[in-house]
Amino acid sequence: ELKVEQNPLFLSMQEGKNYTIYCNYSTTSDRLYWYRQDPGKSLESLFVLLSNGAVKQEGRLMASLDTKARLSTLHITAAVHDLSATYFCAVDIGGTASKLTFGTGTRLQVTL
Amino acid sequence: NAGVTQTPKFQVLKTGQSMTLQCAQDMNHEYMSWYRQDPGMGLRLIHYSVGAGITDQGEVPNGYNVSRSTTEDFPLRLLSAAPSQTSVYFCASRSSTGTGFRGYTFGSGTRLTVV
Repeated sequence: ELKVEQNPLFLSMQEGKNYTIYCNYSTTSDRLYWYRQDPGKSLESLFVLLSNGAVKQEGRLMASLDTKARLSTLHITAAVHDLSATYFCAVDIGGTASKLTFGTGTRLQVTL
Repeated sequence: NAGVTQTPKFQVLKTGQSMTLQCAQDMNHEYMSWYRQDPGMGLRLIHYSVGAGITDQGEVPNGYNVSRSTTEDFPLRLLSAAPSQTSVYFCASRSSTGTGFRGYTFGSGTRLTVV
C-alpha cells in the first residue's frame, strides 16, 4: 500500500523568508504532483513531475523529484502573503491504474 | 472548454436517502476518479475508471457505486446516506500519459452534509 507523508503539516512563515515542504512516499513511482488549495476551493495544479531529477519552477515556487530517495520537495522563495494556502503532494502509481494517493497537506500561513 | 463539471455544489441529505453526484468532462479524458476530502486529511480515492465500461474500487469504496457508460460522464451514487459520508467530494480526470501530459484536472467539488 502506497503511503505519502508530508511535512510539516503546518507552516507559519514571515514574508520574505524561504522554506521547503517535504513529500516522502513509500513505493516506486515516477509521477508526482503538487497542488494548491485555497479554503473552500478546489485543487489547482502547480507542478507535474514525471522523471527522476525533474525540477520545475513557477514564480516563487520550485518543485523537484528524486525517485531513488522517493522524495519530492516544494521550495518557497521569498514568501508573500498570496502564497498562503494548503499544499498537497500526490503520487500516481501509474501503469494502467489511475490512482492518486495524497499526502495530508501542508497548511502554509505567510505573515507580514 | 468547461473542464470537469460537478453538480450539485451543495447538498443536504437525510440518513438513508440516496442520491447521485454528477461529474462530466469535455476533454476526452480516459481516466476519471472520485475522491472525498475530510477535515485535516488529504483526499482519499473512492472509485476510479480507466475508460468507458471499466471501473474499480479505491481506498474507501463502501457505500458508493459508480458506472461509466460514456467517456464524458462518471456519476457517483450514494446508496443509503450515512452521517459518515458528510464530506467534500471531488471528481478528477486525466488523459493518458505522453506528450503534453498535464496531470489531473479537478472539478469544483460537491459539499455534502448527511443529517
